[in-house]
Amino acid sequence: SQQGEEDPQALSIQEGENATMNCSYKTSINNLQWYRQNSGRGLVHLILIRSNEREKHSGRLRVTLDTSKKSSSLLITASRAADTASYFCATDRGALRKLIWGLGTSLAVNP
Amino acid sequence: NAGVTQTPKFRVLKTGQSMTLLCAQDMNHEYMYWYRQDPGMGLRLIHYSVGEGTTAKGEVPDGYNVSRLKKQNFLLGLESAAPSQTSVYFCASSYGSFAGGVTDTQYFGPGTRLTVL
Repeated sequence: SQQGEEDPQALSIQEGENATMNCSYKTSINNLQWYRQNSGRGLVHLILIRSNEREKHSGRLRVTLDTSKKSSSLLITASRAADTASYFCATDRGALRKLIWGLGTSLAVNP
Repeated sequence: NAGVTQTPKFRVLKTGQSMTLLCAQDMNHEYMYWYRQDPGMGLRLIHYSVGEGTTAKGEVPDGYNVSRLKKQNFLLGLESAAPSQTSVYFCASSYGSFAGGVTDTQYFGPGTRLTVL
């Protein structure tokens, strides 16, 4: 079963705007990871945030983690048409040795 | 570094035929995974391996078999293909200790698009 749940399922914005996606999960985790998938391609890792971290940045990406609410958000600032993709969150619950995946948010950035 | 490679990229099978998908990684990763991705279903884990010679079932293992005879290779077999196995298959690998603990970043291959008629 999928533990991560991304919200919204789909998002459409104009170039230059910010995009925010959320992910919720149900059990305690070691880390939470965000991935991007361009149409028809493999997933690409964006950011990993550990359970003892609250915020991480990578270029135009900002990820926050609230373990008390069991939720994370991915913010893409100043979006570009090239950011059009599906974004997935995945959680590591440690002993399972595998990631639990959400169903993804489909982001469309219109020029 | 080639990263994670998958062969073939595309395949069309008839119901009942068999085939093997090959995944290879050159990053010396312990953990390897096979996923299938269907529209609206996200990624579903078929089988995975936490080290050479080991395999374990994921969420949707029925109709598939796997082998990890060499650390760098992970094979996914379909013994008797069914139309329900039409999907895009992704292989991934990651660092990890055999003893378990943390599942780190996963690196994905480009995928194999399989159609079963």
